[in-house]
Amino acid sequence: DVKVTQSSRYLVKRTGEKVFLECVQDMDHENMFWYRQDPGLGLRLIYFSYDVKMKEKGDIPEGYSVSREKKERFSLILESASTNQTSMYLCASSQIQGFGYTFGSGTRLTVV
Amino acid sequence: AQSVSQHNHHVILSEAASLELGCNYSYGGTVNLFWYVQYPGQHLQLLLKYFSGDPLVKGIKGFEAEFIKSKFSFNLRKPSVQWSDTAEYFCAVLMDSNYQLIWGAGTKLIIKP
Repeated sequence: DVKVTQSSRYLVKRTGEKVFLECVQDMDHENMFWYRQDPGLGLRLIYFSYDVKMKEKGDIPEGYSVSREKKERFSLILESASTNQTSMYLCASSQIQGFGYTFGSGTRLTVV
Repeated sequence: AQSVSQHNHHVILSEAASLELGCNYSYGGTVNLFWYVQYPGQHLQLLLKYFSGDPLVKGIKGFEAEFIKSKFSFNLRKPSVQWSDTAEYFCAVLMDSNYQLIWGAGTKLIIKP
């Protein structure tokens, strides 16, 4: 069964900490995405990557960075966590942009 | 700006009721349309999609959606809901201008047993 795996289901971090969220896919997909999901706001794209070492800003990149050193792994980095970054973070991958997204189970991050 | 609107944030129905969840988008070009579902505690998964052809598309678990181009709509329907349909439903639109998915805010559906 194909999978997108997010390393943590729940995380609690302190304000100002550097936070790493990891995502791994086993489908050899070209494209990977990081979203945050907030009630009433749906999914908002933070960053996406269409190839190794390539990244593009999404709609809300401020306060985040990403890394894609290997095709199967896409990391989201919160350089200095803040309380307004408390959210559910979803990773997704697809072979063709916009089509057939496979999502991970999500990481619920709480910043205190 | 391009956007996707889902009319209701919360819908509460009794079992066996009929369901229609609205989705409208603002874009005049070619689109591909999706409904995703997120069951409690589970990951998002594709319910159905429209790329071209018959505007009435059928998905998993008895869901269907109709693309009405003139109304810029892609409403999700099910004739008779079950308690297990309790979930959050997201409409998403791929616009040919930038090939990025634009997501609606989601509709939380609660089915009373």
